[in-house]
Amino acid sequence: SYVVTQPPSVSVAPGETARITCGGNNIGSKSVHWYQQKPGQAPVLLIYDDSDRPSGIPERFSGSNSGNTATLTISRVEAGDEADYYCHVWNNGRDIHVIFGGGTKLTVL
Amino acid sequence: QVQLVESGGGVVQPGRSLRLSCAASGFSFSNYAMHWVRQAPGKGLEWVAIISYNGDNTNYADSVKGRLTISRDNSKNTLFLHMNSLRAEDTAVYYCVKDRPAYTYGDDDAFDVWGQGTKVTVAA
Repeated sequence: SYVVTQPPSVSVAPGETARITCGGNNIGSKSVHWYQQKPGQAPVLLIYDDSDRPSGIPERFSGSNSGNTATLTISRVEAGDEADYYCHVWNNGRDIHVIFGGGTKLTVL
Repeated sequence: QVQLVESGGGVVQPGRSLRLSCAASGFSFSNYAMHWVRQAPGKGLEWVAIISYNGDNTNYADSVKGRLTISRDNSKNTLFLHMNSLRAEDTAVYYCVKDRPAYTYGDDDAFDVWGQGTKVTVAA
């Protein structure tokens, strides 16, 4: 089965740039979606189809996907960005399989 | 506004059954595939099941196949998850989730609306 791998944690100082990766075999051929989840809250869609932002999501959040790595980039990190971030892909064959990465805890120092 | 509100969670003994509901509002419910996604305490997200916009097609994670059943009533804008033979490992918050585009099924879609979740605890 297809596996996607995220680093368990990423730390960054306020105002700096955070990069959270999602690795998978030839993930560049798939559409990758990203979600933010703050403690006690439901996930929120941040990026869809590798790099598109839903309305209301700040431009500070961007995404890219190539080769074996998809990346969520958060520019000018703020304290309020501290959260868990999950990547999401589909791996459909005979059956449908929706796959989430294990999640990355972003800590703002 | 677009909203999903889950209900039906609680504490249940192993082997027993439970039915979760999700009331949708603010969008044309019957046009969208819907999902259940769960999150065990302190763990990540796990996809559970999908149902097509008209209810004709369903698919399940291997971990729940044969025990959990997703269904919908488009006349009442409601999604269901019927949970049988519950196990301790089914303990989680269960989220009702909407597919982003209309009239698709399993097409690499993002999940653009999430409910607040309902907690299911399976314990003796």
